[in-house]
Amino acid sequence: EDQVTQSPEALRLQEGESSSLNCSYTVSGLRGLFWYRQDPGKGPEFLFTLYSAGEEKEKERLKATLTKKESFLHITAPKPEDSATYLCAYTVPGSARQLTFGSGTQLTVLP
Amino acid sequence: ETGVTQSPTHLIKTRGQQVTLRCSSQSGHNTVSWYQQALGQGPQFIFQYYREEENGRGNFPPRFSGLQFPNYSSELNVNALELDDSALYLCASSFTRDTEAFFGQGTRLTVV
Repeated sequence: EDQVTQSPEALRLQEGESSSLNCSYTVSGLRGLFWYRQDPGKGPEFLFTLYSAGEEKEKERLKATLTKKESFLHITAPKPEDSATYLCAYTVPGSARQLTFGSGTQLTVLP
Repeated sequence: ETGVTQSPTHLIKTRGQQVTLRCSSQSGHNTVSWYQQALGQGPQFIFQYYREEENGRGNFPPRFSGLQFPNYSSELNVNALELDDSALYLCASSFTRDTEAFFGQGTRLTVV
């Protein structure tokens, strides 16, 4: 059965303390792996899409990487405004291209 | 270019009632998907509409139904509301079925 698991569930960092969030997946025929950021009470904000193992994408302090079994979201020198829940999701080939989400990692960056 | 907008932002309904949630897609987007997000969980796919036709459906009962209009705006209808339907309902639009989805701010539905 296809599934995605995110770890840790929650992470507290000091400002400037770099770390990584993990998204492990077991999917037959992955089409795309997505990262979203979600602030409390708001809709998810698109960050990255990765399509093949070895692919990397960067945006400001965030870098997403993809292997055949997992994806990492690396956060370099985080700031308090990076505090949010980070969600990963995948799509598989098919007409709907629906996103299947993990439960997220709640990141808190302390000043 | 406007983003995805949803209305209303908050709603309280009584068990057994019916509700309609609305979504205006981002300009130029012809695909809209609806998701349900319970507290502390990731969003769960309800269904997707592409050019006014249902294009895929998740594991939700038939009392969850939808429409997409010629201007690509969309509605989610839920009949016979249950307490477990309390959640954040998210609409997402994309340029095509194959491109990344952009979400609205959601509608917080509370069923009492």
